[in-house]
Amino acid sequence: GENVEQHPSTLSVQEGDSAVIKCTYSDSASNYFPWYKQELGKRPQLIIDIRSNVGEKKDQRIAVTLNKTAKHFSLHITETQPEDSAVYFCAATSGNTPLVFGKGTRLSVIA
Amino acid sequence: GAGVSQTPSNKVTEKGKYVELRCDPISGHTALYWYRQSLGQGPEFLIYFQGTGAADDSGLPNDRFFAVRPEGSVSTLKIQRTERGDSAVYLCASSLTGGRFEQYFGPGTRLTVT
Repeated sequence: GENVEQHPSTLSVQEGDSAVIKCTYSDSASNYFPWYKQELGKRPQLIIDIRSNVGEKKDQRIAVTLNKTAKHFSLHITETQPEDSAVYFCAATSGNTPLVFGKGTRLSVIA
Repeated sequence: GAGVSQTPSNKVTEKGKYVELRCDPISGHTALYWYRQSLGQGPEFLIYFQGTGAADDSGLPNDRFFAVRPEGSVSTLKIQRTERGDSAVYLCASSLTGGRFEQYFGPGTRLTVT
């Protein structure tokens, strides 16, 4: 089955700097890759997703890139703000299989 | 519109007891998912419903866990003979339909087995 690895497990950045979180997946059939943000004690919130027919997607300060050949995808947050501090999860699915999540990255943005 | 809701928000039960956790998906969403999240981990898939039927229950850890969705809307996750290792946050998510569609999560039920 699918296996998703996520790095780093923790990340600290200064406010205004960029943050990058990377994930790799094992199943070449996977074609949908969402990213979730989870604040302490709250539900995971979908912040951006990408499908395998595109290589990059951007939404304001957030972007996701996908390299199907290498089977990895990344989340990029620019101009980070303290409210970006949270745990971020990547996930992957082929659509016919359950969504498989990474273990999460705890991002701390230091003011 | 209203998002996914779950009740109760917290449940404390004694080892060996039976519990039911409820999920109300977003109106019109035919797909419903149950996940379990332990501290410091990502959500772990349990079961997926498409309409009233369980399309994939491969994530249920053992036969103490069971879920139903009799009318294709509200779902109930049932855990028999609870064990301390069942303690976790149980999350429900729904999507418009199955497959590669956005899943929206509920706030979860924190289950503590003492």
